Amino acid sequence: AQSVTQPDIHITVSEGASLELRCNYSYGATPYLFWYVQSPGQGLQLLLKYFSGDTLVQGIKGFEAEFKRSQSSFNLRKPSVHWSDAAEYFCAVGASGGGNKLTFGTGTQLKVEL
Amino acid sequence: GAVVSQHPSRVICKSGTSVKIECRSLDFQATTMFWYRQFPKQSLMLMATSNEGSKATYEQGVEKDKFLINHASLTLSTLTVTSAHPEDSSFYICSASPGLAAETQYFGPGTRLLVL
Repeated sequence: AQSVTQPDIHITVSEGASLELRCNYSYGATPYLFWYVQSPGQGLQLLLKYFSGDTLVQGIKGFEAEFKRSQSSFNLRKPSVHWSDAAEYFCAVGASGGGNKLTFGTGTQLKVEL
Repeated sequence: GAVVSQHPSRVICKSGTSVKIECRSLDFQATTMFWYRQFPKQSLMLMATSNEGSKATYEQGVEKDKFLINHASLTLSTLTVTSAHPEDSSFYICSASPGLAAETQYFGPGTRLLVL
């Protein structure tokens, strides 16, 4: 069964600082990987996804993530955080080649200090 | 593109009543729709998967007679919480996928249900 671990429950960074949110997954084959962001009381917005190909994936709002098979990781990064980035971030894994189920991590709450 | 709406955005009901939540894909046809439940400060728990025109597939532990799901068209799925109780209070989120597999799911804004 697939699983996702987000080791950091809360992260606080200063505005303008760089950000890295960690995500580790468990899956027997090449997974589909996603990062979603959720603002308070809102649904989820897709930031980026990895299916295959280039392991460095660019997303919206200046985010990127790198798929590292050897480390079973898909960490999310942003070089300079803006106050509006404060939100909950979820990593998710889906089964490649079909299988219509996403498994979400427990989320990382990002706080941005001005 | 890929916009999913939910209605209502929040609802308060009395214990014992039923509540219907609608999920619509506004600019694409959703072969598959998903219903999630999210408890405060927790992750999303998949409740069920529905494909247009067929019965929903429920996750283990989810009562299908309590959470009725109908996916009558390629743009509309409904979740009905029957005989709601306070423990059913939660944030319910739907998502829609244009394909049979969940490669990309587009999420609705969620519905906050409070059962008194």
